[in-house]
Amino acid sequence: QSALTQPASVSGSPGQSITVSCTGTSSDLGDYTYVSWYQQHPGKAPKLIIYDVSNRPSGVSNRFSGSKSGNTASLTISGLQAEDEADYYCASKRIFHVVFGGGTKLTVL
Amino acid sequence: EVQLVESGGGLVQPGGSLRLSCAASGINFNIQYMTWVRQAPGKGLECVAKIGPEGGVTDCMDSVKGRFTISRDNAKNSLYLQMNSLRAEDTAVYYCVVETWYRFDSWGQGTLVTVSS
Repeated sequence: QSALTQPASVSGSPGQSITVSCTGTSSDLGDYTYVSWYQQHPGKAPKLIIYDVSNRPSGVSNRFSGSKSGNTASLTISGLQAEDEADYYCASKRIFHVVFGGGTKLTVL
Repeated sequence: EVQLVESGGGLVQPGGSLRLSCAASGINFNIQYMTWVRQAPGKGLECVAKIGPEGGVTDCMDSVKGRFTISRDNAKNSLYLQMNSLRAEDTAVYYCVVETWYRFDSWGQGTLVTVSS
């Protein structure tokens, strides 16, 4: 069982927006702004797409955005594209290391 | 460009040992925190252990304490994971990752460890 809770799957049509939630506790998400999100395509290594709740690394599309409220973080993808179909993982600082969510499979219909 | 190249994975019997290596380039390795993250087949990501620039270690998982040891050689820009007393549940792809302020900036391609008789 993963430390952070994500829905197993979400789906949307091209051009739509979707949101992936990530729920933790006061010991991780609720206590820190060290929240990050990763995109993983099949057979590939994960890629950082959001860090520190809402910051995007250089080169990541501004269609990806992040937010946090209390013990829940969210990743929103706007203007869905076929290449967004992938697994998405949230992560948060907990004490001195990082814990992950179980991952959410995004299907673009 | 950051490059992280893992090696050392393979098939090992339960109770056996393996040593994973990661060769880093394109970064100032000796000031970076480095982490091993693993992913079991069809499963999610798990932090295994991390090591600071001067060798301070943080274990992320109780299940590997006493069995896995993370280390580094800054002169060789290399990260290691010594894995002993391997179990079937350690079967996973192991990624070498650059960690900056609790985010994982750069990932290697991963090396597969299979524990099976």
